[in-house]
Amino acid sequence: AQTVTQSQPEMSVQEAETVTLSCTYDTSESNYYLFWYKQPPSRQMILVIRQEAYKQQNATENRFSVNFQKAAKSFSLKISDSQLGDTAMYFCAFPSSGGSEKLVFGKGTKLTVNP
Amino acid sequence: GAVVSQHPSRVICKSGTSVKIECRSLDFQATTMFWYRQFPKQSLMLMATSNEGSKATYEQGVEKDKFLINHASLTLSTLTVTSAHPEDSSFYICSALGQSTYNEQFFGPGTRLTVL
Repeated sequence: AQTVTQSQPEMSVQEAETVTLSCTYDTSESNYYLFWYKQPPSRQMILVIRQEAYKQQNATENRFSVNFQKAAKSFSLKISDSQLGDTAMYFCAFPSSGGSEKLVFGKGTKLTVNP
Repeated sequence: GAVVSQHPSRVICKSGTSVKIECRSLDFQATTMFWYRQFPKQSLMLMATSNEGSKATYEQGVEKDKFLINHASLTLSTLTVTSAHPEDSSFYICSALGQSTYNEQFFGPGTRLTVL
């Protein structure tokens, strides 16, 4: 079974600084997508960034970037120039099986950006 | 991005009654919709997957007779919690996937259910 592990239950960062959230996963598949979702206090799930496993280049979306290490099965999220609005729960997600549309979510990391 | 709505956003009901939650894709056709449950300070737990016009597929441990899912059209799926009990109190979230969403699930804003 596919598993997703987020080992940091909580993290904090000062405004304007950089923070990295870690995620590891386990799969026997060779081609898949990986996702980072943000859930602010409103509880609306928002896609932050996604990575296609067959692409060697790390995905980037403005201040958000990933460090995807396929061999190590690691998919960390880097947030640069942290803003107060980045305060949220962050979930790493991964398809539950090859070709499946179902996602398995990590337990989440609660990120607090301090002024 | 695509928009998914949920109704109601909050509902309080008495124990033993049934509650229906609607999930709609507003600007795309959702071939697949997912229903999740989220307890406080926990992650999302997938309850079931529904495809338009077919029966829902439930995850292990989810009672299909208690959580009735109907996906009658490409823009609407409903979750009915039958004979609700206090332990069914939770935050329920739906998401939708369509051919136009390129493997990205779009989430509804969630429904907070409180059973007294």
